[in-house]
Amino acid sequence: AQRVTQPEKLLSVFKGAPVELKCNYSYSGSPELFWYVQYSRQRLQLLLRHISRESIKGFTADLNKGETSFHLKKPFAQEEDSAMYYCALSGRGYNKLIFGAGTRLAVHP
Amino acid sequence: GAVVSQHPSWVICKSGTSVKIECRSLDFQATTMFWYRQFPKQSLMLMATSNEGSKATYEQGVEKDKFLINHASLTLSTLTVTSAHPEDSSFYICSARGSRTGSYEQYFGPGTRLTVT
Repeated sequence: AQRVTQPEKLLSVFKGAPVELKCNYSYSGSPELFWYVQYSRQRLQLLLRHISRESIKGFTADLNKGETSFHLKKPFAQEEDSAMYYCALSGRGYNKLIFGAGTRLAVHP
Repeated sequence: GAVVSQHPSWVICKSGTSVKIECRSLDFQATTMFWYRQFPKQSLMLMATSNEGSKATYEQGVEKDKFLINHASLTLSTLTVTSAHPEDSSFYICSARGSRTGSYEQYFGPGTRLTVT
């Protein structure tokens, strides 16, 4: 079964601390993994996807097929990073996204 | 670019009535649109996928006769909640994907909050 697991509902850190939001997935085949972010009172927007292997707003995520993980990391959290983060999965020829439950990141001054 | 709008942003209706929610891609042609439902503090649950000009594909457990989806053009999809009941109260979000947006990237609308009294 296709599934995305985000084990933490809330991650609370202080400004400047490293952040790692965990995401594990279950998928038979070659998935495409994404991180979406939803800032307060804003729509969901794509943060990054594994195939582009880029850093957005200081965030990076590496697909680890052995551990079936796609954790989101940032070395120094900023207050403006506070938001809801969703990990999502899609597959080649698989016409939809499956979302994890989401992790709320709260960055305190 | 790649903006998706929804109308209305919120709606209150009486139990037993129907309500239509529109999803529009403003600057690209959306070959595929998706409808999600989000309960408070929960994740997005895909309800259905619609491709322009064809019938929507509903996820398991979603009543297609209750949630009517029409994707008649490349820029518009509608979700009609028929005979709405209080348990249908939720946040409904659409997303769209087209050839311009890439293979898998979906752009999301701002959502529509439906309250059934």
